[in-house]
Amino acid sequence: GIQVEQSPPDLILQEGANSTLRCNFSDSVNNLQWFHQNPWGQLINLFYIPSGTKQNGRLSATTVATERYSLLYISSSQTTDSGVYFCAVSRGQNFVFGPGTRLSVLP
Amino acid sequence: DAMVIQNPRYQVTQFGKPVTLSCSQTLNHNVMYWYQQKSSQAPKLLFHYYDKDFNNEADTPDNFQSRRPNTSFCFLDIRSPGLGDAAMYLCATSGRGGALETQYFGPGTRLLVL
Repeated sequence: GIQVEQSPPDLILQEGANSTLRCNFSDSVNNLQWFHQNPWGQLINLFYIPSGTKQNGRLSATTVATERYSLLYISSSQTTDSGVYFCAVSRGQNFVFGPGTRLSVLP
Repeated sequence: DAMVIQNPRYQVTQFGKPVTLSCSQTLNHNVMYWYQQKSSQAPKLLFHYYDKDFNNEADTPDNFQSRRPNTSFCFLDIRSPGLGDAAMYLCATSGRGGALETQYFGPGTRLLVL
């Protein structure tokens, strides 16, 4: 099956700093999503981005499908950005999640 | 607001005692998914329904079953919970395009097995 890797596994930032999270996948996909899982376990959609670039406020994402990677950019980080960031990909109906990047933003 | 609802938020059961988790949605989505997420791990897809068509992942244990009586509701039945089944169980939905569309997640049910 498709393999998904995320880097870095852990990231600690000072409030206000910028960061880039990476997702690599082993095969072509027809869906890629980025999620933020908050400390209470809720998974929140950030982007549906099988290709191209999108921006939403301080967050933006780019997927280069031909090179099988996606990047999530967080600018001017806030303590509320803390949590785990997952990318999830699918071929057909089967979704596979990456292992996640745990982000801690310090005040 | 349209949403995905899971009840209960916390469930405690005894080893071997059957338990049912429920999920409902007001999004009128065709596809409903169940995921298992163990501590510090990524969510793992157990199965999904496209309308009434049930799709089981190859490595989902037989101990896990699911029912979808109508568009709005989906249930996860664990027939004989073991200690290793303690986890967060997440329900998600997506529209007619299935895997080509955004998934929306409920808040999850955290299962504890004593």
